[in-house]
Amino acid sequence: DGGITQSPKYLFRKEGQNVTLSCEQNLNHDAMYWYRQDPGQGLRLIYYSQIVNDFQKGDIAEGYSVSREKKESFPLTVTSAQKNPTAFYLCASSSRTPRLSASYGYTFGSGTRLTVV
Amino acid sequence: QQPVQSPQAVILREGEDAVINCSSSKALYSVHWYRQKHGEAPVFLMILLKGGEQMRHEKISASFNEKKQQSSLYLTASQLSYSGTYFCGTEHDNNRKLIWGLGTSLAVNP
Repeated sequence: DGGITQSPKYLFRKEGQNVTLSCEQNLNHDAMYWYRQDPGQGLRLIYYSQIVNDFQKGDIAEGYSVSREKKESFPLTVTSAQKNPTAFYLCASSSRTPRLSASYGYTFGSGTRLTVV
Repeated sequence: QQPVQSPQAVILREGEDAVINCSSSKALYSVHWYRQKHGEAPVFLMILLKGGEQMRHEKISASFNEKKQQSSLYLTASQLSYSGTYFCGTEHDNNRKLIWGLGTSLAVNP
């Protein structure tokens, strides 16, 4: 079955440590996204990528980095510069509708819950 | 620029109906609706495109009023499984980037 796989499901980070969250999709979607969700909050965009080897900053990119070397993969690194990284991280992907170039519905991974210890 | 969802929370008895609204201050390209259950990822319900027709997903339907820059989600004869937080996401041009509302919490009780 096609879908998005995020790993790990739970991640614990020590102060000053960089960690990488994995996101892999086999849906052949061109666009991929990373979101952060805090309790009771909506989704905030960290980075997004519409094609391989290209990505754009979202609203809260500081302290995060990404790469898009393959269409299927869009890993997110949470660096030590991110002072409050404890959150639920969601990866999503989408394709483009033929009309108006709008996005089809996003498919989300099951998320990674990151906690600073 | 963030769409405004209303109401913030709804409590229903099984079988009752509800309407959730999503309003934008900018012209809409498309509106997406998602449902998220606690601790899980959001699940896509439907998309409404500018100039498109009203959509349905089981007993959930939605409309898109371009003039009012608003979309409404209609939940008919609610079921226990409808409980969760409903998010709308809006696109305002073809940059493929959704802007999300803060969500509407829906609880359906027996």
